[in-house]
Amino acid sequence: AQKITQTQPGMFVQEKEAVTLDCTYDTSDPSYGLFWYKQPSSGEMIFLIYQGSYDQQNATEGRYSLNFQKARKSANLVISASQLGDSAMYFCAMREGNPFNDYKLSFGAGTTVTVRA
Amino acid sequence: GAVVSQHPSRVICKSGTSVKIECRSLDFQATTMFWYRQFPKQSLMLMATSNEGSKATYEQGVEKDKFLINHASLTLSTLTVTSAHPEDSSFYICSARAGAKNEAFFGQGTRLTVV
Repeated sequence: AQKITQTQPGMFVQEKEAVTLDCTYDTSDPSYGLFWYKQPSSGEMIFLIYQGSYDQQNATEGRYSLNFQKARKSANLVISASQLGDSAMYFCAMREGNPFNDYKLSFGAGTTVTVRA
Repeated sequence: GAVVSQHPSRVICKSGTSVKIECRSLDFQATTMFWYRQFPKQSLMLMATSNEGSKATYEQGVEKDKFLINHASLTLSTLTVTSAHPEDSSFYICSARAGAKNEAFFGQGTRLTVV
């Protein structure tokens, strides 16, 4: 079974508007972490935001916020005030188990975001 | 955040030759590094976990004799694609974990084209 599901292969958003990227996950481990990465056309993976399963509040990092709904097993990324430079592929990823043990990241299929002027 | 440097960023090689890709942690030590492969517009697929001073752990379906991994020091892991074929053409990217949250940081990736 897929551990991370991103159902939106591609999205268009108008500059200065907000966009929500969907991510649902599947795990039976009570300890896990959720990550969002941005991958521009150059290929590098840029870390955006992290949410731990025990974190009480939703994570925020500048224009990025993570809408963490634990019961629904969803971790949607919200990008506010979109900029042209936000055009990229976005990946949701999950780490299962203790973060200080060896762990693997499971990645979703990704969502391509195109910001229009 | 921590810096992971990957080299080269692009390489073109002939079929049958071998190519070495380096992954370095610049400002921290990494006992474990990860190698991923990514096809165009697809997700990252974990190939193997590189362990300093010991053998790499390969994911199911990854040929360990084809993709040789060496992690000889705490700051360097190498992936060698041996006897490269055109179907090995892909984007290869490494990562290492660092920081208080032990989060993953990625290299810039290597775009390999086998002709």
